[in-house]
Amino acid sequence: AQTVTQSQPEMSVQEAETVTLSCTYDTSENNYYLFWYKQPPSRQMILVIRQEAYKQQNATENRFSVNFQKAAKSFSLKISDSQLGDTAMYFCAFYSNQGGKLIFGQGTELSVKP
Amino acid sequence: DVKVTQSSRYLVKRTGEKVFLECVQDMDHENMFWYRQDPGLGLRLIYFSYDVKMKEKGDIPEGYSVSREKKERFSLILESASTNQTSMYLCASSAGQHYGYTFGSGTRLTVV
Repeated sequence: AQTVTQSQPEMSVQEAETVTLSCTYDTSENNYYLFWYKQPPSRQMILVIRQEAYKQQNATENRFSVNFQKAAKSFSLKISDSQLGDTAMYFCAFYSNQGGKLIFGQGTELSVKP
Repeated sequence: DVKVTQSSRYLVKRTGEKVFLECVQDMDHENMFWYRQDPGLGLRLIYFSYDVKMKEKGDIPEGYSVSREKKERFSLILESASTNQTSMYLCASSAGQHYGYTFGSGTRLTVV
């Protein structure tokens, strides 16, 4: 079965610093997609970044970047220059055509402190 | 601005009641999903639908059913609400799942 694991239930970071959120997954497939979603206190889930497994280059969206290690089945999210508005729950998610659905990790609650 | 709208933000129901959670999307997406979100468990898939009148069970379908009579609307039904169904319910839609989902803002359901 495909699983997604986020081993850090809570993290905190000072404003303007960099933080990395960890995610590992388990699959026997070669072709799949990985996502990070952000859920602020407003509860609206927002897609942060997306990575296609066949692309070796790590995805980047402004201050958000990923470190995708396919062999290690690791997909961490790096947030640079953290802002107060980055305070949210972050979910890692996995999708494969074979599975046909998004599978989510348990979430990491990130607090950015002034 | 594309949207997935859930009819209620907060809902309180009594044990044994039949509960309807409504979700509407305006993006002409074929795929729609219902998840429940619980602390420490992340999001777990209840049901999903790839087309009108079609439905598929997710990982935790027990105690739930769904209805999709129109493309834009996907309803989650709790046939007889129980206290262990107290949770946050999230609806989502997708044009193609490898593009990710667009989520509604959630319904926090409390069953007393």
